[in-house]
Amino acid sequence: DAKTTQPNSMESNEEEPVHLPCNHSTISGTDYIHWYRQLPSQGPEYVIHGLTSNVNNRMASLAIAEDRKSSTLILHRATLRDAAVYYCILRARGIQGAQKLVFGQGTRLTINP
Amino acid sequence: GAVVSQHPSRVICKSGTSVKIECRSLDFQATTMFWYRQFPKQSLMLMATSNEGSKATYEQGVEKDKFLINHASLTLSTLTVTSAHPEDSSFYICSAPWLVGTGELFFGEGSRLTVL
Repeated sequence: DAKTTQPNSMESNEEEPVHLPCNHSTISGTDYIHWYRQLPSQGPEYVIHGLTSNVNNRMASLAIAEDRKSSTLILHRATLRDAAVYYCILRARGIQGAQKLVFGQGTRLTINP
Repeated sequence: GAVVSQHPSRVICKSGTSVKIECRSLDFQATTMFWYRQFPKQSLMLMATSNEGSKATYEQGVEKDKFLINHASLTLSTLTVTSAHPEDSSFYICSAPWLVGTGELFFGEGSRLTVL
């Protein structure tokens, strides 16, 4: 599985935008970029995913570099409930084992009131 | 929306006993489910892929005789930790894909196992 690199931790203030970076220099042309987050003592929660184009949903935006070797998860206006560990994961497109997700260490996001 | 439910959420057992954790997909069918284990302050580690009607596929280093997985129906997968020991104490999480091929996984709430 292609690997991702994320900062161990980040800190931001409530109601400010947050940009969470992820490097994936060994990404292949058919890998999707997924983001999940995990609140304490809970299972992970899907945030967003994309392939080449930038993506927006109600939770966040995903900005993908033109060479696809990096991406940024954008929380437009952080709230205290966004404090979590955010995981950037690559998923290979395909049939066999296509939906298996391998988690890295993630970024622990702290939101200050 | 789609939900994946786990039971029990917490379980405490004595060393040497076996513990079964259930993972159910509500509102949708899941031919595949995934089991993860997470130790404190660590990331999720994929243990195995549960396949409905066939044998589970285990990740390297995971003992299949220790962690028995059964996926007898399209909505239920079970993980049995056999002859549990204190080092098996962990947070066990299951997941199932919502739409096949989308890669979006729904995760259960997790089951915290404590082995005394």
